[in-house]
Amino acid sequence: GDSVTQKEGLVTLTEGLPVMLNCTYQTIYSNAFLFWYVHYLNESPRLLLKSSTDNKRTEHQGFHATLHKSSSSFHLQKSSAQLSDSALYYCALSGITGNTGKLIFGLGTTLQVQP
Amino acid sequence: EAAVTQSPRNKVAVTGGKVTLSCNQTNNHNNMYWYRQDTGHGLRLIHYSYGAGSTEKGDIPDGYKASRPSQENFSLILELATPSQTSVYFCASGGDWGGANAEQFFGPGTRLTVL
Repeated sequence: GDSVTQKEGLVTLTEGLPVMLNCTYQTIYSNAFLFWYVHYLNESPRLLLKSSTDNKRTEHQGFHATLHKSSSSFHLQKSSAQLSDSALYYCALSGITGNTGKLIFGLGTTLQVQP
Repeated sequence: EAAVTQSPRNKVAVTGGKVTLSCNQTNNHNNMYWYRQDTGHGLRLIHYSYGAGSTEKGDIPDGYKASRPSQENFSLILELATPSQTSVYFCASGGDWGGANAEQFFGPGTRLTVL
């Protein structure tokens, strides 16, 4: 079945360093849609960015990701980490069409940015 | 104004007691979802619904029931609460269609402690 893998459970960085959170996926559907959700403490999880276009960079709020179907990857990146980026990040997959709408989430990666 | 609300926000229950978690959405979405979030397990889908009167089992439905009496309301019911059900529960609406439209909108969460 479909699955999403986020290898790192915790990433700790010093402010100003680049961020890269890994996400790989498996799906039998060629038309995969990938999402990154961010969950700040005491807030609701919310969509950060999404993509379905192979090799196209998607950007939002300083973060970017590129869907690479050849390697089934959708890594989240940012050039310079800020303290306010500390949060839990989920990669998610929707690999099917039709009226289902279910998302398959990875286990999440906690990003801790230190001064 | 918040489009997905949950009540209560915090709940302490006793083992064997009945617990009902409520969710209301004003997004006019057909689909609604209940997840639990635990460290190391990410977001896990408990039950979901395609519309009023429908409920479907998610990935971890054991010990939980769901009720969708209207488009706006979706409840999660623990008939006999156990300490293993101590968790943070999130309701979401959206994902009426798959693919790019699978975005879900989350409520603020309910922290449940079963003693």
